[in-house]
Amino acid sequence: AQSVTQPDIHITVSEGASLELRCNYSYGATPYLFWYVQSPGQGLQLLLKYFSGDTLVQGIKGFEAEFKRSQSSFNLRKPSVHWSDAAEYFCAVGVHASGGSYIPTFGRGTSLIVHP
Amino acid sequence: GAVVSQHPSWVICKSGTSVKIECRSLDFQATTMFWYRQFPKQSLMLMATSNEGSKATYEQGVEKDKFLINHASLTLSTLTVTSAHPEDSSFYICSAREGLTYEQYFGPGTRLTVT
Repeated sequence: AQSVTQPDIHITVSEGASLELRCNYSYGATPYLFWYVQSPGQGLQLLLKYFSGDTLVQGIKGFEAEFKRSQSSFNLRKPSVHWSDAAEYFCAVGVHASGGSYIPTFGRGTSLIVHP
Repeated sequence: GAVVSQHPSWVICKSGTSVKIECRSLDFQATTMFWYRQFPKQSLMLMATSNEGSKATYEQGVEKDKFLINHASLTLSTLTVTSAHPEDSSFYICSAREGLTYEQYFGPGTRLTVT
């Protein structure tokens, strides 16, 4: 069965520092991969996605992620973190379902804390 | 962009009562809606998937008689927690998708507390 592992429960960085959030997945086929951000009182927002092609994908808010098949990883990065980036981040793998759709499986999330 | 709303944003109810949570797609037709449950500091757990006009498909371990899902229109799905108990207290999140597109749009969630 598919699974997503986010090994870091909390990450603390200083504002302006670089960021990398780790995500490893387990899935038998080529996965659809996603990163979402959840801010208090708001719904999950899609940051970026990978389906195929270029393994380095660019997302919104200056985020990027790199798909590494050999490592089964899809780590999220940002070169310079802003205080407003403090939130919960979820990695998800989309499992193909019938009819051409997919069902997402989420990791447990990583809480990003940004120090001024 | 696509917006999904949930109502109420939080609710407190007494044990044994039922609670209904609404999920609406405001500017698109949600052919598929998903209901998730999220425990503190944990992942989103998919409870069920519903297609408009069809019965919901529940994930293994989710009691369909306890968590009643209705998706009667292309813009509204409801989750009713029947005979709620304190262990049902959680954060419930819905999402919606138009057609077979990959992207889901998430509602802000509903905090349910059962006393």
